[in-house]
Amino acid sequence: AQTVTQSQPEMSVQEAETVTLSCTYDTSESDYYLFWYKQPPSRQMILVIRQEAYKQQNATENRFSVNFQKAAKSFSLKISDSQLGDAAMYFCAYRRNTGGGNKLTFGTGTQLKVEL
Amino acid sequence: SQTIHQWPATLVQPVGSPLSLECTVEGTSNPNLYWYRQAAGRGLQLLFYSVGIGQISSEVPQNLSASRPQDRQFILSSKKLLLSDSGFYLCAWEADRPYGYTFGSGTRLTVV
Repeated sequence: AQTVTQSQPEMSVQEAETVTLSCTYDTSESDYYLFWYKQPPSRQMILVIRQEAYKQQNATENRFSVNFQKAAKSFSLKISDSQLGDAAMYFCAYRRNTGGGNKLTFGTGTQLKVEL
Repeated sequence: SQTIHQWPATLVQPVGSPLSLECTVEGTSNPNLYWYRQAAGRGLQLLFYSVGIGQISSEVPQNLSASRPQDRQFILSSKKLLLSDSGFYLCAWEADRPYGYTFGSGTRLTVV
């Protein structure tokens, strides 16, 4: 079974600084997707960024970027120029690419605090 | 554009009472639909998913059940709630490639 591990329960960053959240996963599949979701205090789950395993290029979305290391099964999220609105719980998630109905497997989350 | 609606937002129910949470999706057809539960301070646990009308897959044995009576409607139910059913319930649907779930706003259930 696939597992997703987020080893940092909490992280802090100063406003305008850069922070990196770690995620590792375990799978025997070669074709899959990885995601980072953000859950602010409202608890609405918001998709931040996605990465397709067959693409070597790291995904970027404005201030958010990933470092995808397929061989190491590592998928970290870098947030640049951190803003107060980035404070939230961040979840890493894995989905295998075998058609419909496949579940997202989530990590346990990293609580990010942004300080003035 | 596609939207997902989930209700109610908050629910307080006594132990032993029934439960019905509803989720509907607009702007798409034949979506894959999912029910997740998030206990306080924990990650998300998949409860049920559905790839079509009447097709329900259960991930874990629960005091809960799910149904999909219409293409874009997904219902989470229980005949008798337990204290351990308390949590935050999220409905989600899955877009076409590239894969990504879109979540509803969630239901905070407290069983007392």
